[in-house]
Amino acid sequence: TQLLEQSPQFLSIQEGENLTVYCNSSSVFSSLQWYRQEPGEGPVLLVTVVTGGEVKKLKRLTFQFGDARKDSSLHITAAQPGDTGLYLCASGSSNTGKLIFGQGTTLQVKP
Amino acid sequence: ETGVTQTPRHLVMGMTNKKSLKCEQHLGHNAMYWYKQSAKKPLELMFVYNFKEQTENNSVPSRFSPECPNSSHLFLHLHTLQPEDSALYLCASSQPNSGNTIYFGEGSWLTVV
Repeated sequence: TQLLEQSPQFLSIQEGENLTVYCNSSSVFSSLQWYRQEPGEGPVLLVTVVTGGEVKKLKRLTFQFGDARKDSSLHITAAQPGDTGLYLCASGSSNTGKLIFGQGTTLQVKP
Repeated sequence: ETGVTQTPRHLVMGMTNKKSLKCEQHLGHNAMYWYKQSAKKPLELMFVYNFKEQTENNSVPSRFSPECPNSSHLFLHLHTLQPEDSALYLCASSQPNSGNTIYFGEGSWLTVV
Protein backbone atom coordinates (compact mmCIF):
# COMPACT_ATOMS: atom_id res chain seq x y z
CA THR A 1 0.00 0.00 0.00
CA GLN A 2 1.37 3.36 -1.00
CA LEU A 3 1.92 5.77 1.87
CA LEU A 4 2.15 9.52 1.45
CA GLU A 5 4.21 11.52 3.90
CA GLN A 6 3.72 15.25 4.15
CA SER A 7 6.03 17.71 5.82
CA PRO A 8 5.96 19.79 7.79
CA GLN A 9 2.82 18.83 9.68
CA PHE A 10 2.32 22.35 11.02
CA LEU A 11 3.51 25.70 9.75
CA SER A 12 2.82 29.12 11.23
CA ILE A 13 4.17 32.12 9.34
CA GLN A 14 3.65 35.85 8.94
CA GLU A 15 1.80 37.38 6.03
CA GLY A 16 4.14 38.02 3.13
CA GLU A 17 6.51 35.13 3.80
CA ASN A 18 7.17 32.31 1.36
CA LEU A 19 6.80 28.64 2.22
CA THR A 20 7.15 25.17 0.75
CA VAL A 21 5.38 21.98 1.78
CA TYR A 22 6.33 18.52 0.63
CA CYS A 23 4.69 15.24 -0.22
CA ASN A 24 6.80 12.09 -0.53
CA SER A 25 6.21 8.44 -1.23
CA SER A 26 8.32 5.30 -1.38
CA SER A 27 6.40 4.33 -4.52
CA VAL A 28 5.93 6.01 -7.86
CA PHE A 29 2.81 8.15 -8.12
CA SER A 30 0.45 7.48 -11.02
CA SER A 31 -0.72 11.04 -10.57
CA LEU A 32 -0.84 13.41 -7.65
CA GLN A 33 -3.48 15.83 -6.50
CA TRP A 34 -3.15 18.72 -4.08
CA TYR A 35 -6.20 19.78 -2.07
CA ARG A 36 -6.87 22.60 0.34
CA GLN A 37 -9.31 22.19 3.18
CA GLU A 38 -10.52 25.22 5.08
CA PRO A 39 -11.94 24.88 8.60
CA GLY A 40 -15.49 23.55 8.53
CA GLU A 41 -15.36 22.60 4.86
CA GLY A 42 -14.46 19.65 2.71
CA PRO A 43 -11.23 19.44 0.66
CA VAL A 44 -11.17 21.34 -2.63
CA LEU A 45 -8.92 20.25 -5.49
CA LEU A 46 -6.16 22.73 -6.36
CA VAL A 47 -4.24 20.87 -9.04
CA THR A 48 -3.41 17.48 -10.54
CA VAL A 49 0.12 16.69 -11.73
CA VAL A 50 0.80 13.72 -13.93
CA THR A 51 4.15 14.05 -15.71
CA GLY A 52 7.54 13.77 -13.98
CA GLY A 53 9.20 17.19 -13.73
CA GLU A 54 5.91 18.98 -14.32
CA VAL A 55 5.46 22.45 -12.86
CA LYS A 56 2.05 24.07 -12.56
CA LYS A 57 1.22 27.53 -11.31
CA LEU A 58 -2.00 28.74 -9.76
CA LYS A 59 -1.59 32.45 -8.96
CA ARG A 60 0.86 32.51 -6.01
CA LEU A 61 0.97 28.72 -5.74
CA THR A 62 3.58 26.68 -7.62
CA PHE A 63 3.27 22.91 -7.75
CA GLN A 64 6.18 20.72 -8.76
CA PHE A 65 6.22 17.01 -9.51
CA GLY A 66 9.53 15.24 -9.04
CA ASP A 67 11.30 13.77 -12.05
CA ALA A 68 10.94 10.27 -10.61
CA ARG A 69 7.28 10.93 -9.72
CA LYS A 70 7.87 9.97 -6.09
CA ASP A 71 7.69 13.43 -4.59
CA SER A 72 5.93 16.72 -5.01
CA SER A 73 6.10 20.17 -3.53
CA LEU A 74 3.80 23.14 -3.14
CA HIS A 75 5.39 26.57 -2.89
CA ILE A 76 3.39 29.62 -1.85
CA THR A 77 4.80 33.06 -2.52
CA ALA A 78 3.87 36.01 -0.32
CA ALA A 79 1.43 34.06 1.81
CA GLN A 80 -1.80 35.73 2.84
CA PRO A 81 -4.18 34.99 5.74
CA GLY A 82 -6.62 33.57 3.20
CA ASP A 83 -4.11 30.81 2.47
CA THR A 84 -4.68 29.42 5.97
CA GLY A 85 -5.92 25.85 5.88
CA LEU A 86 -5.00 22.20 5.64
CA TYR A 87 -3.07 21.24 2.51
CA LEU A 88 -3.45 17.63 1.48
CA CYS A 89 -1.72 15.63 -1.17
CA ALA A 90 -3.44 12.56 -2.59
CA SER A 91 -2.63 9.89 -5.11
CA GLY A 92 -4.83 7.52 -7.01
CA SER A 93 -7.65 7.94 -9.42
CA SER A 94 -9.83 11.01 -9.22
CA ASN A 95 -11.98 9.15 -11.74
CA THR A 96 -12.97 6.57 -9.17
CA GLY A 97 -12.49 8.57 -5.98
CA LYS A 98 -10.12 5.90 -4.69
CA LEU A 99 -7.56 8.35 -3.37
CA ILE A 100 -4.87 7.80 -0.75
CA PHE A 101 -4.28 10.97 1.25
CA GLY A 102 -1.29 12.25 3.16
CA GLN A 103 -1.78 13.48 6.72
CA GLY A 104 -1.72 17.05 5.57
CA THR A 105 0.13 20.25 6.41
CA THR A 106 -1.76 22.71 8.57
CA LEU A 107 -0.79 26.23 7.51
CA GLN A 108 -1.53 29.32 9.56
CA VAL A 109 -0.75 32.70 8.05
CA LYS A 110 -0.85 35.51 10.60
CA PRO A 111 -1.72 39.03 9.48
CA GLU B 1 -20.93 25.54 -2.52
CA THR B 2 -19.59 22.41 -4.23
CA GLY B 3 -22.95 20.85 -5.14
CA VAL B 4 -22.57 18.15 -2.49
CA THR B 5 -24.71 18.71 0.59
CA GLN B 6 -24.37 16.80 3.83
CA THR B 7 -26.75 16.70 6.80
CA PRO B 8 -26.54 16.98 9.68
CA ARG B 9 -23.41 19.07 9.94
CA HIS B 10 -22.98 18.10 13.58
CA LEU B 11 -24.20 15.01 15.40
CA VAL B 12 -23.71 13.80 18.95
CA MET B 13 -24.87 10.28 19.67
CA GLY B 14 -24.64 7.70 22.39
CA MET B 15 -23.08 4.33 21.81
CA THR B 16 -26.47 2.60 21.76
CA ASN B 17 -28.15 5.09 19.40
CA LYS B 18 -29.04 4.60 15.77
CA LYS B 19 -28.57 7.60 13.52
CA SER B 20 -27.98 8.32 9.85
CA LEU B 21 -25.88 10.74 7.85
CA LYS B 22 -27.28 11.98 4.57
CA CYS B 23 -25.55 13.18 1.44
CA GLU B 24 -27.11 14.65 -1.68
CA GLN B 25 -25.32 15.76 -4.83
CA HIS B 26 -26.75 18.09 -7.46
CA LEU B 27 -24.01 17.56 -10.03
CA GLY B 28 -25.44 14.71 -12.05
CA HIS B 29 -22.61 12.42 -11.01
CA ASN B 30 -22.87 8.65 -10.91
CA ALA B 31 -20.24 7.86 -8.29
CA MET B 32 -20.48 8.69 -4.61
CA TYR B 33 -18.11 8.05 -1.71
CA TRP B 34 -17.83 8.15 2.05
CA TYR B 35 -14.52 9.22 3.58
CA LYS B 36 -13.56 9.42 7.26
CA GLN B 37 -11.28 12.17 8.58
CA SER B 38 -9.95 11.71 12.10
CA ALA B 39 -7.58 13.92 14.02
CA LYS B 40 -3.94 13.14 13.28
CA LYS B 41 -4.87 10.53 10.66
CA PRO B 42 -5.06 10.74 6.88
CA LEU B 43 -8.41 10.85 5.13
CA GLU B 44 -9.64 7.27 4.75
CA LEU B 45 -11.86 5.97 1.98
CA MET B 46 -14.76 3.95 3.44
CA PHE B 47 -17.19 3.12 0.65
CA VAL B 48 -17.57 3.67 -3.09
CA TYR B 49 -20.80 3.49 -5.07
CA ASN B 50 -20.91 3.52 -8.86
CA PHE B 51 -24.32 3.76 -10.50
CA LYS B 52 -25.95 2.87 -7.14
CA GLU B 53 -23.88 -0.31 -6.74
CA GLN B 54 -21.32 -0.64 -3.98
CA THR B 55 -17.94 -1.24 -5.61
CA GLU B 56 -15.66 -0.71 -2.65
CA ASN B 57 -15.84 -1.46 1.07
CA ASN B 58 -12.52 -0.60 2.61
CA SER B 59 -12.77 -3.09 5.51
CA VAL B 60 -15.24 -0.88 7.33
CA PRO B 61 -16.85 -2.33 10.50
CA SER B 62 -20.45 -3.42 10.08
CA ARG B 63 -21.63 -0.80 12.58
CA PHE B 64 -21.36 1.54 9.56
CA SER B 65 -23.95 0.65 6.94
CA PRO B 66 -24.15 2.62 3.68
CA GLU B 67 -27.19 2.95 1.48
CA CYS B 68 -27.43 4.42 -2.00
CA PRO B 69 -31.06 4.54 -3.17
CA ASN B 70 -30.19 6.49 -6.32
CA SER B 71 -27.21 8.21 -7.90
CA SER B 72 -27.96 11.50 -6.15
CA HIS B 73 -28.33 10.28 -2.58
CA LEU B 74 -26.06 8.43 -0.20
CA PHE B 75 -26.66 7.55 3.42
CA LEU B 76 -24.43 6.24 6.19
CA HIS B 77 -26.42 4.43 8.86
CA LEU B 78 -24.74 4.35 12.26
CA HIS B 79 -25.43 1.82 15.01
CA THR B 80 -23.64 0.94 18.27
CA LEU B 81 -20.68 3.15 17.49
CA GLN B 82 -17.61 3.55 19.67
CA PRO B 83 -16.05 6.79 20.92
CA GLU B 84 -13.11 6.21 18.55
CA ASP B 85 -15.56 6.51 15.66
CA SER B 86 -15.84 10.22 16.42
CA ALA B 87 -14.60 12.00 13.31
CA LEU B 88 -15.54 14.14 10.33
CA TYR B 89 -17.38 12.06 7.76
CA LEU B 90 -17.05 13.42 4.25
CA CYS B 91 -19.21 12.56 1.29
CA ALA B 92 -17.93 13.06 -2.23
CA SER B 93 -19.06 12.53 -5.79
CA SER B 94 -17.56 12.35 -9.26
CA GLN B 95 -18.38 11.23 -12.76
CA PRO B 96 -16.69 7.85 -13.24
CA ASN B 97 -14.10 7.42 -15.97
CA SER B 98 -14.47 10.92 -17.33
CA GLY B 99 -11.44 12.55 -15.72
CA ASN B 100 -13.64 14.91 -13.74
CA THR B 101 -12.74 16.19 -10.33
CA ILE B 102 -13.99 14.55 -7.15
CA TYR B 103 -16.13 17.00 -5.21
CA PHE B 104 -16.40 16.84 -1.44
CA GLY B 105 -19.25 17.95 0.79
CA GLU B 106 -18.61 20.03 3.88
CA GLY B 107 -18.73 17.00 6.13
CA SER B 108 -20.68 15.80 9.13
CA TRP B 109 -18.94 16.13 12.47
CA LEU B 110 -19.79 13.07 14.55
CA THR B 111 -19.15 12.77 18.26
CA VAL B 112 -19.87 9.45 19.98
CA VAL B 113 -20.31 9.70 23.75
